[in-house]
Amino acid sequence: GNSVTQMEGPVTLSEEAFLTINCTYTATGYPSLFWYVQYPGEGLQLLLKATKADDKGSNKGFEATYRKETTSFHLEKGSVQVSDSAVYFCALGGTTDSWGKLQFGAGTQVVVTP
Amino acid sequence: SAVISQKPSRDICQRGTSLTIQCQVDSQVTMMFWYRQQPGQSLTLIATANQGSEATYESGFVIDKFPISRPNLTFSTLTVSNMSPEDSSIYLCSVEVGTDTQYFGPGTRLTVL
Repeated sequence: GNSVTQMEGPVTLSEEAFLTINCTYTATGYPSLFWYVQYPGEGLQLLLKATKADDKGSNKGFEATYRKETTSFHLEKGSVQVSDSAVYFCALGGTTDSWGKLQFGAGTQVVVTP
Repeated sequence: SAVISQKPSRDICQRGTSLTIQCQVDSQVTMMFWYRQQPGQSLTLIATANQGSEATYESGFVIDKFPISRPNLTFSTLTVSNMSPEDSSIYLCSVEVGTDTQYFGPGTRLTVL
């Protein structure tokens, strides 16, 4: 079956530091990959996505590249801000057996201090 | 994208009672989903709700506990029945727009005493 594995948190960083959150997946077929962000007290927001190998998704300074050879979709940001403090979820969908459903990772809490 | 609203945004309920959560989207969509997010956890899919057909429930979730309605292409409800403290969670609805991409509502924060 499909699965998503994320690095455990919390990840604590100082402002302007470089952020990487690792995400690897197991899937049948060729999934689409997503990063969602959940700010405190809010729902999930789609941060970025990639639908095929070597695609790079980007938004708000965040980037992730779909690496089929390593089955990974790591999230990166070059210089984080306090406002980036949130929980980040990696997810996959679009496989032949997913029927529109998304498989989420456990989530990684990121805390950015001034 | 899609703009999704949920009502209520939060509630505190007594055990044994039921709560109906509403989800409204600003455009017509075929597929809607209901998720549960227990405290500090990831999202777990409860069911998929397509207009004009019965909801499809995931393993561990049953219609008697979580009845769902989908009367049209912009609206759905989820009822949490006969609640217990273990039902305290955030309940989120989402819609699929385009291929495989889901957009989420703000969630309903439920506390059961």
